[in-house]
Amino acid sequence: QVLLVQSGAEVKKPGTSVRLSCKPSGYAFNTYAIHWVRQVPGQRLEWMGLIHVDNGNTEYSQTFQGRLTITRDTSARTVSLDLRSLRSDDTAVYYCARDGRGYYFDYWGQGTRVTVSS
Amino acid sequence: ELMLTQSPGTLSLSPGEGATLSCRASQSVGNAYIAWYQQKPGQAPRLLIYGASRRATGIPDRFSGSGSGTDFTLTITRLEPEDFAVYFCQQYAGLRCTFGQGTKLEIK
Repeated sequence: QVLLVQSGAEVKKPGTSVRLSCKPSGYAFNTYAIHWVRQVPGQRLEWMGLIHVDNGNTEYSQTFQGRLTITRDTSARTVSLDLRSLRSDDTAVYYCARDGRGYYFDYWGQGTRVTVSS
Repeated sequence: ELMLTQSPGTLSLSPGEGATLSCRASQSVGNAYIAWYQQKPGQAPRLLIYGASRRATGIPDRFSGSGSGTDFTLTITRLEPEDFAVYFCQQYAGLRCTFGQGTKLEIK
């Protein structure tokens, strides 16, 4: 079955960076884009960006432009998210999700909690 | 930015009853690019509906979606105990996909 397994929880200080990973399985890795969506406590879900796994092309929400990089490692079949210059309001659960052929999300990872605190 | 507003914020119903959840867009959603998700505490969202009315794989037929333009509805007939959760709508027609704030479906 389709699974997306994410890396574990992180605690970071403001101004630092975090790298999260997502490892899909159960389908051909190169055939679906992967998105990142975050859920800040008490706020609505927020789309961050995506990577087209076949060619590495990325799209980012303007909210995160300059702070966010999404990459993929085709040999390791892994997608990564790097978020820089962390702030306390980046505290959230971060999800990777498979593109359902149209910018909706048909399978989700289990989520990674990131806490940004001094 | 295309904004989504869900109503009601909380819906209190009993198992066996039917539920109607609303999602209203600030402008017309092209091609009815609306999806609905269910989220239980501590879990990731689960896709229920896409394209406004298409059930995702494995979703029971008691879940149905409808609507067009700016008004969309998720209907759940004959609520089961496992259906009590938070439901989000999402649009993916705009330059940036956005989500509604959620409707909590709780047991009465």
